[in-house]
Amino acid sequence: NAGVTQTPKFQVLKTGQSMTLQCAQDMNHNSMYWYRQDPGMGLRLIYYSASEGTTDKGEVPNGYNVSRLNKREFSLRLESAAPSQTSVYFCASSANRGGGETQYFGPGTRLLVL
Amino acid sequence: AQSVTQPDIHITVSEGASLELRCNYSYGATPYLFWYVQSPGQGLQLLLKYFSGDTLVQGIKGFEAEFKRSQSSFNLRKPSVHWSDAAEYFCAVGLFLRDDKIIFGKGTRLHILP
Repeated sequence: NAGVTQTPKFQVLKTGQSMTLQCAQDMNHNSMYWYRQDPGMGLRLIYYSASEGTTDKGEVPNGYNVSRLNKREFSLRLESAAPSQTSVYFCASSANRGGGETQYFGPGTRLLVL
Repeated sequence: AQSVTQPDIHITVSEGASLELRCNYSYGATPYLFWYVQSPGQGLQLLLKYFSGDTLVQGIKGFEAEFKRSQSSFNLRKPSVHWSDAAEYFCAVGLFLRDDKIIFGKGTRLHILP
């Protein structure tokens, strides 16, 4: 089992460019999440998908879009990157929805927007 | 509003010494409580979690945490730290009912002196 995988590992963008961060899980989990991690801010939820076919906004959704492509895959898109989106992005999954569920994290994508 | 506070941004202890990382939460009821660890360059990994029952919870890597309802606290402890415990530690709160989300604290970075 690979668990949660993310691609790419690193990315440098210029302001205004677009990109998609990919995430896949092989644990047959129903729920998936995208977080960003910034120094001193901890993890902040961008979007989540409680189950296949549904997505909801988290704490910091502005400037992002998501697609739950199927049960395994949940992508995050930056349509027009801004320097404020420089961050480390983590994808996570959990078996089901609910605040008591353990979340399993990918290794992260480090994004620099110039 | 619900919140999680980790008062210590950085903690330094000597190898072999005991450790206690503090976590306080604000919520109208007893939430689900988690501790996650993030090693450098990695994603987060669950150390332990509390749902109900015995207020002293055992986790992986020799860690334990104690839930104290009267203090709204869930402090993480280890009797003797190892150099490999150097990492960032996140306390998290999972909420009930309609909420699917977990709220993370801002983290405590643990440094180990040889």
